[in-house]
Amino acid sequence: DGGITQSPKYLFRKEGQNVTLSCEQNLNHDAMYWYRQDPGQGLRLIYYSQIVNDFQKGDIAEGYSVSREKKESFPLTVTSAQKNPTAFYLCASSFPSGLAKNIQYFGAGTRLSVL
Amino acid sequence: ILNVEQSPQSLHVQEGDSTNFTCSFPSSNFYALHWYRWETAKSPEALFVMTLNGDEKKKGRISATLNTKEGYSYLYIKGSQPEDSATYLCAFITGANNLFFGTGTRLTVIP
Repeated sequence: DGGITQSPKYLFRKEGQNVTLSCEQNLNHDAMYWYRQDPGQGLRLIYYSQIVNDFQKGDIAEGYSVSREKKESFPLTVTSAQKNPTAFYLCASSFPSGLAKNIQYFGAGTRLSVL
Repeated sequence: ILNVEQSPQSLHVQEGDSTNFTCSFPSSNFYALHWYRWETAKSPEALFVMTLNGDEKKKGRISATLNTKEGYSYLYIKGSQPEDSATYLCAFITGANNLFFGTGTRLTVIP
């Protein structure tokens, strides 16, 4: 089945710890995205990548890091510098984002909580 | 960050009722608008892509209209069913290809 897989579904972070959220897609999409959702807010863009080995900061990149070593994978690391990491994280992918019709396909999300 | 507003935030309707909700966005620099449906415990899925020269979109009992001059899009659901219960998100795409999501409208259809 083609799709986007996020893991884990739930993740707990201790103070001062870095944690990594996994996102894998087998849709052959070039572009991948990470969003954060907080209660009462829309999805906010953390990072995106248009192509392998390239990525750009989104609106709220501070305290996060990403890599894009393979087309299929776009892991997100929540670093200890992110002081308020508790949120729901969604990964998405699409064909090149330059085309308006290129809708995004989403994973099921990871809920991160701080212990 | 652009302001994309959706209203109402939540909505309860009886099964069989028709309903609609709004996505408001800046009227300048429009490139496209997407509507997504996000059911609980599932992934958001695309419903419609609205472009500048596009007509009303329709998928079964759900349709969407677009007014780029005044900066809004309506999503209509005719004869709501319990399976329509979900959060409906709109995403505004600018000419610079930046995408901004609204906060969503949570629809609950009461059997």
